Amino acid sequence: QSVLTQPPSVSGTPGQRVTFSCSGRSSNIGSNPVSWYQHLPGTAPKVLIYNNNERPSGIPDRFSGSKSGTSASLDIIGLQSEDEADFYCTAWDDSLRGRVFGGGTKLTVL
Amino acid sequence: EVQLVESGGGLVKPGESLRLSCAASGFPISGYSMNWVRQAPGKGLEWVSYISESSSHVYYAESVRGRFTVSRDNAKNSLYLQMNSLRAEDTAFYYCVRSEGYYARTEYFHHWGQGTLVTVSS
Repeated sequence: QSVLTQPPSVSGTPGQRVTFSCSGRSSNIGSNPVSWYQHLPGTAPKVLIYNNNERPSGIPDRFSGSKSGTSASLDIIGLQSEDEADFYCTAWDDSLRGRVFGGGTKLTVL
Repeated sequence: EVQLVESGGGLVKPGESLRLSCAASGFPISGYSMNWVRQAPGKGLEWVSYISESSSHVYYAESVRGRFTVSRDNAKNSLYLQMNSLRAEDTAFYYCVRSEGYYARTEYFHHWGQGTLVTVSS
């Protein structure tokens, strides 16, 4: 059972918009910034969003993040087949004195 | 180019020990906090440990606290993870990760190694 809650799967068709949710508590998302990662099996995870809504250089603006209270979300607009992967949110937890990840959401592009 | 190369993984029996290494190149690790993150087969990402630039701050996941020890040798540009009393549930790919940001609370992970597989089985 992960500290941060993510739905196990989402799906969409090319060109669509999909949203990933990440729910936590006051001790983690409520107090600290959230980052999001895309992970293809057998490869290193890639950061998509950091500090709730900032994109590293090289990440297209199709990817956007937001946070409100103890929840965060990642949006992908203009879905592409190569976006298919697992997506994880993470934040520091002040109570646990450690970083926590969500269980991950598998994106399927239909 | 930033590179992180993990080594030291392998097959061990429950209760045994293993030491993972991470060789960094393309940047001085002395300027960065570092982390270990793992992924068990079929499971999600799990943060394992954090160590600050000077090793003054060290944090562990509850699941490994008291059994794992993170350390670094800035002169050798390397990060380590000593894993004792290994359990079957420690079986995972272990990733060496460079932090971006000033504090553990606000950092994010921009550079990851390719991972090394640790299998704990009798």
